[in-house]
Amino acid sequence: QSALTQPASVSGSPGHSITISCTGTSSDIDDYNYVSWYQQHPGNAPKLMIYHFTNRPSGVSNRFSGSKSGNTASLTISGLQAEDEADYYCASYTTTSTLNIWVFGGGTKLTVL
Amino acid sequence: QLHLQESGPGLLKPSETLSLTCTVSGDSISKSTYYWGWIRQPPGRGLEWIGSLYYSGNTNYNPSLKSRVTISVDTSHNEFSLTLSSVTAADTAVYYCARHAPEFDSWGQGTLVTVSA
Repeated sequence: QSALTQPASVSGSPGHSITISCTGTSSDIDDYNYVSWYQQHPGNAPKLMIYHFTNRPSGVSNRFSGSKSGNTASLTISGLQAEDEADYYCASYTTTSTLNIWVFGGGTKLTVL
Repeated sequence: QLHLQESGPGLLKPSETLSLTCTVSGDSISKSTYYWGWIRQPPGRGLEWIGSLYYSGNTNYNPSLKSRVTISVDTSHNEFSLTLSSVTAADTAVYYCARHAPEFDSWGQGTLVTVSA
């Protein structure tokens, strides 16, 4: 099962918005509503930021939003802040005839200029 | 408050078997309708799903690791474990345990396992 495709890096200035894409296939992103996004600061465990493409867990800033178009999911961060500088990963659920499988994207490093 | 904690040896030699345990507090592995999984992250690289255990006991593994991986549960101690056989340097990584449903909503802090002769 191939990993989901993310850009290696994105950057943006404080106060501006950025979008990170996550491209899969018809077997994962397009078929299931289970794409999630994670933020990881150096030395820390990943933190769930978005699930089911668009939902935010309690406590996550509404500056973070998710969307989907066909085989591509996207994470948008508006009003960039220095604390948003981190690695971001998407993940999706998929299934074969006998297995339930989860795949992660390769990760995107966000730099706040 | 859900808490997951990984434990196990931090240093292995090539060909040995990696064994890690995830101790869960604040939820019951056998009673909640969640998956309990293992994810790893090689130094400087991305996340890789290793496998997961459903509360009913069913397991799912990453096809690329399936021949070497076993995930098991000890309900009496509310723990689940990872076994990875025949390790090589490529298995050097931070290993995380997590609860997921299917999104991974709670993670342990991670434990570094180094494979070196």
